[in-house]
Parts: sequence; C-alpha cells; structure tokens
Amino acid sequence: QVHLQESGPGLVKPSETLSLTCSVSGYSISSGYYWGWIRQPPGKGLEWIGSIYHDGSTFYKPSLQSRVTISVDTFKNQFSLKLSSVTAADTAVYYCARDYTSLFDYWGQGTLVTVSA
Amino acid sequence: DIQMTQSPSSLSASVGDRVTITCRASQGISNYLAWYQQKPGKVPKLLIYATSTLESGVPSRFSGSGSGTDFTLTISSLQPEDVATYYCQRYSSAPSIAFGQGTRLEIK
Repeated sequence: QVHLQESGPGLVKPSETLSLTCSVSGYSISSGYYWGWIRQPPGKGLEWIGSIYHDGSTFYKPSLQSRVTISVDTFKNQFSLKLSSVTAADTAVYYCARDYTSLFDYWGQGTLVTVSA
Repeated sequence: DIQMTQSPSSLSASVGDRVTITCRASQGISNYLAWYQQKPGKVPKLLIYATSTLESGVPSRFSGSGSGTDFTLTISSLQPEDVATYYCQRYSSAPSIAFGQGTRLEIK
C-alpha cells in the first residue's frame, strides 16, 4: 500500500519561502509515476500546484510557476515543494499525492500551512 | 487556460434520491474528466476517471457520463455516507490539470 506523509513548518512569515517534504513508503519513487502537490485553502476548493517525475522532470501550474520549485530525492524516497514570496493567500492545507497520468490516486493526510507574521 | 465549472455549488437531497452534479469545461477535453469525493475533514478520494470508469471499490450507485465539455456525476440512490464535497478534474495533460470549484452535497 502506498503511503504519503507531508512534513514541514506550519507557520511561515509573509514574503518568505514555504518548504514542505513528502515522504513516500510502500512504493519506490524511482519505479515511476509522477508525484504531485495540491493545496486547499480553508473552506475552499482544490488547486494543483505541480508534479515531478523520478527523473526530475516537472510540470507547474502556470500561474504559480514563477514561485514554485518541486524537487525529488530518490535515495530518501521523498519529494519536496518550495513556494517563494508567500502571502496570506497561500495559507492552505497542502497535500502530496501520487500523480498517475495526472490523476491523483494516493494522497497524504495534508498539512496546514499558515502564512502570518 | 481551461476552466472547470460545477453546478450546483451545493445541494440537499433525501436518502434514496437520485442526485446529479454537472461539470462544464470551457473547451473540449475529450473524456479526460475525473471526479473526487472529499468527506468532511478527510482527504479527497478518486471516484471516477475517464468520465465513466469507477475506481476500484467505488459503489455502483455512482456513475459518470459526458464528453467534450459537459459531464455529469450521478448517484442513483443517495446514502448517508455520500455526504461530501465532490470535485471534477480535467486531467488531459499537465500543466493543464484543473479542478472544479466543488459541489457540497448534504442530506435533507
């Protein structure tokens, strides 16, 4: 069974960089699939942020592309999200998920990141 | 950028009712349409992909249909455990992954 777990600071100051890591168990990232990040502001809908392949190939949502970096560490079986210059609008539950041809079939439990001074 | 619009944004129905949720794409997406269910306080769950293919373990009361720009999710007989927010998703190709705004389903 594939299991994903997000980790990282729950509070980030405005203008700083949000950094999260997703640890994957039950499946080797090196074996394939894309791996993605999705966020959900409190009380609102889902927003895809970007996805990465085990070889480091990435796709980002165009409107976030200038601020987003997703990277992968196949040795640790982890992938990470960095979102720069955050504002209150970036406050959300951040999910990592397995991206199967752009479908998300396994999800982490999500982690709330609040942007506040 | 293709937009996904769901209607209604919320609805209330009785147990046993047939429920239909609509998703419209701003331009044609063939059959690359998925539906997710997010129960209160829970993680989204993939229900249907390729417009009408049920993910393993999804009850047969759920069905999907449509093509091009107009799609529907139907619950043939609403059950209490179906209370959730439902999201459609276009997934034809990254970076054009987009979710609808969600439809909140409640029991009357």
